[in-house]
Amino acid sequence: GQNIDQPTEMTATEGAIVQINCTYQTSGFNGLFWYQQHAGEAPTFLSYNVLDGLEEKGRFSSFLSRSKGYSYLLLKELQMKDSASYLCAVMDSNYQLIWGAGTKLIIKP
Amino acid sequence: GAVVSQHPSWVICKSGTSVKIECRSLDFQATTMFWYRQFPKQSLMLMATSNEGSKATYEQGVEKDKFLINHASLTLSTLTVTSAHPEDSSFYICSAPGGSGGAHGRNEQFFGPGTRLTVL
Repeated sequence: GQNIDQPTEMTATEGAIVQINCTYQTSGFNGLFWYQQHAGEAPTFLSYNVLDGLEEKGRFSSFLSRSKGYSYLLLKELQMKDSASYLCAVMDSNYQLIWGAGTKLIIKP
Repeated sequence: GAVVSQHPSWVICKSGTSVKIECRSLDFQATTMFWYRQFPKQSLMLMATSNEGSKATYEQGVEKDKFLINHASLTLSTLTVTSAHPEDSSFYICSAPGGSGGAHGRNEQFFGPGTRLTVL
């Protein structure tokens, strides 16, 4: 079956760095997405990786290793507004998104 | 990027009534749209894939007679929750592949803002 695993919850301190991991097993691979979702709102796009390596976009970076079925989202210089759920999703061979359960990130002052 | 709208943003209805939720792609055409449901503190659950000009594809466990989907045009898909009950209370979100509107072409999904349904 298809499976996406990510931690349920993480806590970090304002100004620090946090890494959210995601491992996956899917039938085919057409890219991995990270989305941010604040409570009561729809997800918003953060990053897309289809090739191995690191993609950096401001304070956020995303890494992919296809051979290991592994990705991480790295958040630097954490701000209180970064408190949200972070969803990992993989697009399979049918271009269907398989979603992880999300990681709730709690930022403390 | 591409924009997807949803209407209404929230709705409260009595048990037994039907509720229609609209999903529109505002600046691009979407032959496919996805409908998700999200319960509190849970991830998105794909309910169905809406296809313009043909029948929707429903995920296992989703009752197609209860959740009616109509993809009337290349910019509009509707989800009707028929005979709603309190257990149908949830956050309903639609999305559409970006096509040329997204930086990553067809792979990027653009989400509507969601509709919060509360059934009394």
